[in-house]
Amino acid sequence: GAVVSQHPSWVICKSGTSVKIECRSLDFQATTMFWYRQFPKQSLMLMATSNEGSKATYEQGVEKDKFLINHASLTLSTLTVTSAHPEDSSFYICSARRAASTDTQYFGPGTRLTVL
Amino acid sequence: QKEVEQNSGPLSVPEGAIASLNCTYSDRGSQSFFWYRQYSGKSPELIMSIYSNGDKEDGRFTAQLNKASQYVSLLIRDSQPSDSATYLCFGGSGGYNKLIFGAGTRLAVHP
Repeated sequence: GAVVSQHPSWVICKSGTSVKIECRSLDFQATTMFWYRQFPKQSLMLMATSNEGSKATYEQGVEKDKFLINHASLTLSTLTVTSAHPEDSSFYICSARRAASTDTQYFGPGTRLTVL
Repeated sequence: QKEVEQNSGPLSVPEGAIASLNCTYSDRGSQSFFWYRQYSGKSPELIMSIYSNGDKEDGRFTAQLNKASQYVSLLIRDSQPSDSATYLCFGGSGGYNKLIFGAGTRLAVHP
């Protein structure tokens, strides 16, 4: 199979604090990982694409200094929401792709972030 | 603006019927298409992929791709209440990083 995990599955934090979310590919090496955000009753919106060992590519409108992405290994990418505010409350989902020979993305279970 | 469009639904079908979900795309260069299912509060799970014109069958699911008309569809035979979910069309052009999600179609299968 192709299993992707995320940790934590949910987190509640105070406004102004930073939150780190981990995304791991458990049984395959992921050359590319993707971070999505989903607000209620909306589809997934791509935030950024990260390749192992490279800087992430952010989508238009996503602040790279606010959403820090690190893809230090072929099995781990992290998203840090810095100085979180209530409007950052959302469902954050990562996905991972094996080698570049396929487009198939396998999704993690998601992290629900609530900022008070 | 490259787009992937779906009817948001809800699409309501009786148990045992065929559910037909459709998706159109604007980028004529699109090559890869995927159907994902998402239950409320959960992340998407892959149903199937399709890259070539024609039909692709996997169990109760059949994906159809028509590149000339720029649409891709998913048929679910013998629909079950457990199929009630939002179905997301995901596709795009080459370069792998340019895949886009449609807004999703909510399917409700009633007993």
